[in-house]
Amino acid sequence: ETGVTQTPRHLVMGMTNKKSLKCEQHLGHNAMYWYKQSAKKPLELMFVYSLEERVENNSVPSRFSPECPNSSHLFLHLHTLQPEDSALYLCASSQASGLAGELFFGEGSRLTVL
Amino acid sequence: AQSVAQPEDQVNVAEGNPLTVKCTYSVSGNPYLFWYVQYPNRGLQFLLKYITGDNLVKGSYGFEAEFNKSQTSFHLKKPSALVSDSALYFCATPPGGGSYIPTFGRGTSLIVHP
Repeated sequence: ETGVTQTPRHLVMGMTNKKSLKCEQHLGHNAMYWYKQSAKKPLELMFVYSLEERVENNSVPSRFSPECPNSSHLFLHLHTLQPEDSALYLCASSQASGLAGELFFGEGSRLTVL
Repeated sequence: AQSVAQPEDQVNVAEGNPLTVKCTYSVSGNPYLFWYVQYPNRGLQFLLKYITGDNLVKGSYGFEAEFNKSQTSFHLKKPSALVSDSALYFCATPPGGGSYIPTFGRGTSLIVHP
């Protein structure tokens, strides 16, 4: 148990569906991250929130929409995805002010787009 | 810019033999370096970190890492590999210079053969 919980763990959706991934952290951290992990590719940072404000957006397509309503929760809203968006989506948290602080990851949400 | 490199996509080792997973870094100022492990279908887990002090850092599951400033390396080691150590290993450096983005290596797949 890392203190970062992601739901659902598995999601299958069609290209016209709308779904959301949820991440919750119980560590008192103030920064949260979304990463995409595809087979045979490096980790791709998608979004970073610090103190509930988006501080990084790594040229992610608009069909992915993040939301951070408070420092403990992070969502990734999905709309009209493509099959190449199938991947493991990882949420992480850290203390934004701690340069030496490690990231704590959730177990990931495995997304399959049909 | 901060960067880390993992020169090997895969490392194979026999159970009971010592293992090394390599990482080199390029960072400005004093380097902070991390190792993470990812077991199949799981999120990343923090293993150990180097901040300052002793060049040999001990971490979880019997792993250790050796910081070498002259070679700009931070190799992960274990004296005796277990089959259960088979996983994906990531070297990383935390954000620096006002950025919130941690930098991860591409990952090295460690396979321990019985």
